[in-house]
Amino acid sequence: QMTQSPSTLSASAGDTVTITCRASQGISSRVAWYQQKPGQAPQLLIYQASTLQIGVPSRFSGSGSGTAFTLTISSLRPDDFATYYCQQYDHYSFTFGQGTRLEIK
Amino acid sequence: QIQLVQSGAEVKKPGTSVKVSCKASGGTFANYAINWVRQAPGQGLEWMGGIIPVFGTTNYAQKFQGRLTITTDESTTTGYMELIRLTSADTATYYCGAYSNCSISSCPSYYNHMDVWGKGTTVTVSS
Repeated sequence: QMTQSPSTLSASAGDTVTITCRASQGISSRVAWYQQKPGQAPQLLIYQASTLQIGVPSRFSGSGSGTAFTLTISSLRPDDFATYYCQQYDHYSFTFGQGTRLEIK
Repeated sequence: QIQLVQSGAEVKKPGTSVKVSCKASGGTFANYAINWVRQAPGQGLEWMGGIIPVFGTTNYAQKFQGRLTITTDESTTTGYMELIRLTSADTATYYCGAYSNCSISSCPSYYNHMDVWGKGTTVTVSS
């Protein structure tokens, strides 16, 4: 199980925000982060907890291992306002967090 | 460029079944680990199951055991998801998501995310 917080986050362009996920048991670094915009498929941002997917801007960063993980987005841009999901992988199964909707303040 | 193209929207009656396809292009299909993820209207992402062709293994979320079958056809580079005994609770957008570099050597260490996704297939279950 992955517990993601907050469920909603209000911020302004230029702000830095952090989203947190906590796993129910240790999962090493087997965590990924996705961005999803309305009507679109999820898009991979970060994998292995902290590795940036090719083509993803460096203002996105991930950290953590074991049970606690964070996604940080710095210098928010208008295109970043979307929903973000964490995902864990354990014993050949995936589990997603509940999602965080990042909205414009 | 690796792409996943899914089949079109479906409308089904309760109690029937649906089969959704996910055609891959680019890369080596045998190295695709394909998963199916669904999203009910206004809800989050839910992993349903996945298949790892290089190891010949299929795994299903407990919730879908007995109702879901995931297969691939290497001759057509297509993955399939079939869900039976549909109810209104199965109304959702169904996505295929794959890890595109799942070789025998790389998969055990690096298969823990999905780097390419289809655009989704809407399945509506209604009487």
